[in-house]
Amino acid sequence: EVQLVESGGALVQPGGSLRLSCEASGFRFATYEMQWVRQAPGKGLEWVSYISSLGYNTFYAQSVKGRFTISRDNAKSSLYLQMNSLRAEDTAFYYCTGVPDNNGNSVPRYWGQGTLVTVSS
Amino acid sequence: QSVLTQPPSASGTPGQRVTISCSGGSSNIAVQTVNWYQQLPGTAPKLLIYNTNQRPSGVPDRFSGSKSGTSASLAISGLQSEDEADYYCAAWDDNVNDPGVAFGGGTKLTVL
Repeated sequence: EVQLVESGGALVQPGGSLRLSCEASGFRFATYEMQWVRQAPGKGLEWVSYISSLGYNTFYAQSVKGRFTISRDNAKSSLYLQMNSLRAEDTAFYYCTGVPDNNGNSVPRYWGQGTLVTVSS
Repeated sequence: QSVLTQPPSASGTPGQRVTISCSGGSSNIAVQTVNWYQQLPGTAPKLLIYNTNQRPSGVPDRFSGSKSGTSASLAISGLQSEDEADYYCAAWDDNVNDPGVAFGGGTKLTVL
């Protein structure tokens, strides 16, 4: 069974940094494309970032480009999101998501339960 | 605002058939497959339909997806009270400058 477990969410001050982690199990992590998706309280889903199965390609939403960095460690079956220069509008639940790299599209199939990031002074 | 456009709300009575639309463009729905997600209050989104019309194991065949041109639809037949939830569509967007996943703004389904 595919399992994705996020951690690292916390209350952080504006301008601060935070690193989210996602531990994967139940599947061959190195064959999955991974992404972070966020959802502000009471709002819709917003795609944040993508990383290819071997980590060679990354993409970011305009709203986080230059501030967030996605990475992965296939040996540890883990996905990360380094978030710098955090703003109040980054407050959201952050979901780790994955899809097999032979799926034909890169849209999330599996989701974790999310971790809450709150940016406030 | 979202790249994909969904109606903010939809409703139906038990047993009825309802459809939720998702409108996109030439760089997403027109050339990519579509996923649909169901989100119950306080929970993570759950995959309902993938690759436009495929159901993951465990999803009832009351749920079906389709696509035509730059629009996609989710149909729910035999509506049940437990179907009351938020529904989101998503597709990869092949925008040359900013590729990524495009989500719809979500549709809140109410079972009357």
